[in-house]
Amino acid sequence: QVQLQESGPGLVKPSETLSLTCTVSGGSISSYYWSWIRQPPGKGLEWIGYIYYSGRTTYNPSLNSRVTISVDTSKNHFSLRLNSVTAADTAVYYCARGIPAGLWGQGTLVTVSS
Amino acid sequence: DIQMTQSPSSLSASVGDRVTITCRASQDIRNDLGWYQQKPGKAPKRLIYAASSLQSGVPSRFSGSGSGTEFTLTISSLQPEDFATYYCLQHNNYWTFGQGTKVEIK
Repeated sequence: QVQLQESGPGLVKPSETLSLTCTVSGGSISSYYWSWIRQPPGKGLEWIGYIYYSGRTTYNPSLNSRVTISVDTSKNHFSLRLNSVTAADTAVYYCARGIPAGLWGQGTLVTVSS
Repeated sequence: DIQMTQSPSSLSASVGDRVTITCRASQDIRNDLGWYQQKPGKAPKRLIYAASSLQSGVPSRFSGSGSGTEFTLTISSLQPEDFATYYCLQHNNYWTFGQGTKVEIK
C-alpha cells in the first residue's frame, strides 16, 4: 500500500532554512494533492500548505512569505522549505496525501535551536 | 480566514458512553470538513470526510453530521481504544484545524 516517509535534519539553527522531503512509496505521486502539516510539542495541528502533482501550490497565509513546497515526480517525492526559522517553528512535521489529508506519514521532529 | 471553534477542549467519559464533539465554522464551509483521531506519538488518522462520510475501515460507532457552520462528531458507544484527541479540519478556504478535544477516561 501507499506509504509516506518524511526525512531531513532534526536540528536547524535559528534564522536558517528548514528543509524536509516526503517520499511516496507503493504508488505514484502523479495524482492527488500533497500537503505539509505541523504540530508543536503538546499543541494542536497547523496546516502549512499543499501542492498538486502538476506543481500548483497553496500556502497558509500566515506562513506564505517563508514557505516553498515543490514536487519532483521523477523521484516520487515532494519537499518543504521554511525560511528564517525561529524556536516557534519547532514541531513535528507531517506530510500527507489528499484533500483533506487522508493518508499521513509518521512525522518527523524538527527542533530549532543554536 | 475561516476560524474553527471546537468544543469541548476536553471531556471525561466511561466505556460505553455516547460522546459528542462539535466544531463551529466562522462562515459557511458547505460540507468541506473532516474529523481526525490522534493518539500520543502517532500521526492523525482520518475518521470522517465530507462531514458525514465514514472513512473505510473506521468502526461504525463513529459518525459525523452537519453542514454550513455546525458540525458534530459522535461516538455512539465509547471503546477503550477511542481515548485520544480529536480534531476537525475545514478545507473550504485554505485549511484550518479545530483546537482539538481530548477524550479521557472517567
